[in-house]
Amino acid sequence: EADIYQTPRYLVIGTGKKITLECSQTMGHDKMYWYQQDPGMELHLIHYSYGVNSTEKGDLSSESTVSRIRTEHFPLTLESARPSHTSQYLCASSLGASGYNEQFFGPGTRLTVL
Amino acid sequence: GENVEQHPSTLSVQEGDSAVIKCTYSDSASNYFPWYKQELGKRPQLIIDIRSNVGEKKDQRIAVTLNKTAKHFSLHITETQPEDSAVYFCAADWAQKLVFGQGTRLTINP
Repeated sequence: EADIYQTPRYLVIGTGKKITLECSQTMGHDKMYWYQQDPGMELHLIHYSYGVNSTEKGDLSSESTVSRIRTEHFPLTLESARPSHTSQYLCASSLGASGYNEQFFGPGTRLTVL
Repeated sequence: GENVEQHPSTLSVQEGDSAVIKCTYSDSASNYFPWYKQELGKRPQLIIDIRSNVGEKKDQRIAVTLNKTAKHFSLHITETQPEDSAVYFCAADWAQKLVFGQGTRLTINP
């Protein structure tokens, strides 16, 4: 079934650790996005990609980095986690054609940094 | 860039009554306006969308209206039910991204 998958779903780590949040989609979409969201609050775009080897920073300043080596895979990496990174991270994808930009969201990763 | 303002931030209505959430946007180049519903602990899911060549769209109890001249669009939910309780986000497409509103927490009181 076409979907967006995120792993892990929950992660508790200590300050200073390097982590990678995984996101994969089987939707056949070119565009992928990462959002940071405190539960039930505003969605903040932190990174996006138009396709393979394309990555852009979003509106919210973030200390994370992303890569897009394969169309279906868009991992997000934090080199040194801090308590301020505690939040939910949502991955999304879209077909991307102008005017048809419906985004489909993954289930999210809830990150807690101690 | 595009800016989307959403009001109110919280809304409480009696079961069976109607709920209206309003959004304004700043860039007239936007031509796609989706609405997402996010239930507690779940991912945002598209519930209805409208494109700029249409003024109104309806799907059962939910409807969206768009006024391109005034640059605002609204979500209308009629005959509200407990399962309508959630956070709702409006959005506008801009520069191949979606710019989201701040969200409205809707509570349906029995």
